[in-house]
Amino acid sequence: GAGVSQSPSNKVTEKGKDVELRCDPISGHTALYWYRQSLGQGLEFLIYFQGNSAPDKSGLPSDRFSAERTGGSVSTLTIQRTQQEDSAVYLCASSLEPGLAGVTQYFGPGTRLTVL
Amino acid sequence: ILNVEQSPQSLHVQEGDSTNFTCSFPSSNFYALHWYRWETAKSPEALFVMTLNGDEKKKGRISATLNTKEGYSYLYIKGSQPEDSATYLCAFHNYGQNFVFGPGTRLSVLP
Repeated sequence: GAGVSQSPSNKVTEKGKDVELRCDPISGHTALYWYRQSLGQGLEFLIYFQGNSAPDKSGLPSDRFSAERTGGSVSTLTIQRTQQEDSAVYLCASSLEPGLAGVTQYFGPGTRLTVL
Repeated sequence: ILNVEQSPQSLHVQEGDSTNFTCSFPSSNFYALHWYRWETAKSPEALFVMTLNGDEKKKGRISATLNTKEGYSYLYIKGSQPEDSATYLCAFHNYGQNFVFGPGTRLSVLP
């Protein structure tokens, strides 16, 4: 497609369940980013992929969070044993090689996760 | 830890008013500074990317300036309209290839 897509758009789950969020970046974009926005908060960086590797995992809030990217394209963000504080909008963005000056991130529509 | 600040946190203006807000970022290892507009229930949308000290960018009624030596960027909106209501985010891009977003300025334009 023309833009970044994410699925599902909404996810309601029970505390303790695992969830998987998917991101399809713009074709040809080598960099992929995951962010989240909790209620009333700003954009929080989670993880960044260059190709299939993740040079920066510094933002993952706990070991319940993991992410992978395969084929330099689709990425999944997995949250195990979800907690209520995981409720947020999870945004994915992609860009061309971040080493290029002036490269822009393009955002997907987000997945709204609600943990009951 | 890279710190990107934005001020004010929020502001309300009347339709037709001009307004501006600030993004402050580290002045070392500068690579680029980005501005995004984030409307409620939509994805952040890129407005400008600036790479050179003294850069000025303009898109319709919105413009931005950049001072990399002192580490700040201003975003200006001339003749605000209700459709300008959104959160305006800046993002600092350094040589370490990190993008660090500021907390945003929430703008409400009252008709």
